[in-house]
Amino acid sequence: EAEVAQSPRYKITEKSQAVAFWCDPISGHATLYWYRQILGQGPELLVQFQDESVVDDSQLPKDRFSAERLKGVDSTLKIQPAELGDSAMYLCASSGQDGWHEQYFGPGTRLTVT
Amino acid sequence: AQRVTQPEKLLSVFKGAPVELKCNYSYSGSPELFWYVQYSRQRLQLLLRHISRESIKGFTADLNKGETSFHLKKPFAQEEDSAMYYCALPDNSGVSNYKLTFGKGTLLTVNP
Repeated sequence: EAEVAQSPRYKITEKSQAVAFWCDPISGHATLYWYRQILGQGPELLVQFQDESVVDDSQLPKDRFSAERLKGVDSTLKIQPAELGDSAMYLCASSGQDGWHEQYFGPGTRLTVT
Repeated sequence: AQRVTQPEKLLSVFKGAPVELKCNYSYSGSPELFWYVQYSRQRLQLLLRHISRESIKGFTADLNKGETSFHLKKPFAQEEDSAMYYCALPDNSGVSNYKLTFGKGTLLTVNP
């Protein structure tokens, strides 16, 4: 069964360093989401893509975060410079056009900023 | 602004007992609500959606517009139901197609 892939699974970085996460959605899924989940909280949307276009990035801290999905397939989320408060789980999800808009989640990347 | 509230962070029941995980929402319009579940060391996954009115793994959830609630229920809990449960509400701003607002989650533990 097709799954959303994410890498790396774990990342430890020092504050002020740059860090990047990668996501490969389920083949054929046009919509891709990046969520941030702080410990003890539910996921919060950072950015949503429809194909290669950003649909919603209202919660993305644009001074340090950037996201791209150049060919409308896989996506990269970057943080530069990382801050201590960025320590969280970063989840990628994708959804198709089945009418239900069910979101399929990847395993996440656990980021620790020291 | 839309909001999802799950008042219980932790819920512990014994096997065979009924379980109810609470979810309240604020939303203008007619919402479509979801329950997502995350079992230990697994991905977050959809459990059920209210629009399909289905029962999944013995769980049901009824939308109560008067009380703005979408509580998840199961008459007889099983140990394998132990997991983190999130209630989720799609965006109604017209900006984002099915952007989800998640509650903070309830950790359900079913004891033997």
